[in-house]
Amino acid sequence: AQKVTQAQTEISVVEKEDVTLDCVYETRDTTYYLFWYKQPPSGELVFLIRRNSFDEQNEISGRYSWNFQKSTSSFNFTITASQVVDSAVYFCALVGRNNNDMRFGAGTRLTVKP
Amino acid sequence: KAGVTQTPRYLIKTRGQQVTLSCSPISGHRSVSWYQQTPGQGLQFLFEYFSETQRNKGNFPGRFSGRQFSNSRSEMNVSTLELGDSALYLCASSLVRMLDSNTGELFFGEGSRLTVL
Repeated sequence: AQKVTQAQTEISVVEKEDVTLDCVYETRDTTYYLFWYKQPPSGELVFLIRRNSFDEQNEISGRYSWNFQKSTSSFNFTITASQVVDSAVYFCALVGRNNNDMRFGAGTRLTVKP
Repeated sequence: KAGVTQTPRYLIKTRGQQVTLSCSPISGHRSVSWYQQTPGQGLQFLFEYFSETQRNKGNFPGRFSGRQFSNSRSEMNVSTLELGDSALYLCASSLVRMLDSNTGELFFGEGSRLTVL
C-alpha cells in the first residue's frame, strides 16, 4: 500500500520567516518518485519538484529546498525567507514503480502574513 | 508557448447523465494525466495516457474512462454521474511518462469544475 502523510494541516508565518513543510510516505516499492506541488488561491496546480528514490541528494532552488531522507521516509520542503506570494496549499505526492497510482497527501495550507 | 488547455471550465450536470472533459497538452508533450480534487477526498490521481495508451490508473470505478488521440489531446468521460463526482478535474501534460524519468516537469491546466445536481 502507498500512503502520504502531511501532518501539518495549516501553518501561519510572518514574512521573512523560514518554514518547513513535512511529508512522510509509505511504500513497498523500492523504486518510487516523490513530488511537491503548490496550489495558490487561483486553483491551478504548480509542479515544484520530482525526486526519485535512488537519489537522496538534497535540492535547492532559490528560496526552496528539499530534504529527502529514506531512513525516515520523509521528503520535507523548506521555504527560506518566506514571502506573501508563497501563501498556498502545498501537496506532497508519491508514485511507486510497481503501483502505477499517484498518491497525494492531504495538503498543508501555508499563510504568509506581511 | 501555449499552456495546457482544459474545456469546459465549468459545467453543471444532473445525476445519471454523462460528461466528457477535454485536455489539450502543451505542444510536443505526449503524456497527459488526470486528477480529481474534492474537499472530502482531496487530490486523487485518475489515469495517465502516453502515446494513446493508458499507462497508469488510480483507484476509480469503471465509470471513469479516458482516451488520448494521435495529436496527444485527451478526453475524460464519466458516465452515470453521481453527486459525489462533483469536483475540480485537473489535467497535466509532460514530455515524458510519469515513471520513466527522474526529471519530467508536469504542467497543469486550470481545471474543469463539474457540479452534479
